[in-house]
Amino acid sequence: QKEVEQDPGPLSVPEGAIVSLNCTYSNSAFQYFMWYRQYSRKGPELLMYTYSSGNKEDGRFTAQVDKSSKYISLFIRDSQPSDSATYLCAMSPSNTGNQFYFGTGTSLTVIP
Amino acid sequence: EPEVTQTPSHQVTQMGQEVILRCVPISNHLYFYWYRQILGQKVEFLVSFYNNEISEKSEIFDDQFSVERPDGSNFTLKIRSTKLEDSAMYFCASTIDGNQPQHFGDGTRLSIL
Repeated sequence: QKEVEQDPGPLSVPEGAIVSLNCTYSNSAFQYFMWYRQYSRKGPELLMYTYSSGNKEDGRFTAQVDKSSKYISLFIRDSQPSDSATYLCAMSPSNTGNQFYFGTGTSLTVIP
Repeated sequence: EPEVTQTPSHQVTQMGQEVILRCVPISNHLYFYWYRQILGQKVEFLVSFYNNEISEKSEIFDDQFSVERPDGSNFTLKIRSTKLEDSAMYFCASTIDGNQPQHFGDGTRLSIL
């Protein structure tokens, strides 16, 4: 049973579109949820960090966590060509320095 | 903004040779990690390190792997006898404490010939 599932895409949208990226997970112990952005030949860059269920907004980015459905989402409003990257979800069961469990990543291209 | 730095960016090694990958975590961080990403696959956890000892490791992190914090700034991953399947991107990460998310370096691409 895979811990974290993420549609790899690729996803291609026009500039200005709203993008929705999603992950599902199986382990109900996950409490901390992250979204990372990864450009080609670079390391994952933290975008959003949420604890438990609910929404968190930061500029054009909104992260949602629905623990009852074991489903997390990242929304990008007014998408820009510079948003073109691979988006990784990651999650962790606790705040004691545990390992992160990653999705496979979704490749996003925003077309000017 | 402080960064996690990794060297070298690309390492080419003959199968069976030892390799050491180096990382300088963010200076006030206390938890350190190594992950790897085989081309086209997920980022996979290898090991976490806190208070000068391994706190958690995955099944991948077998006897061929070791980690060390030889001084106050460096954090290294050693693979004793490399195999072809060790070819991957290796990422170092660090965090100030368990409440904060991990910050990643740009990785070392390890190619085993």
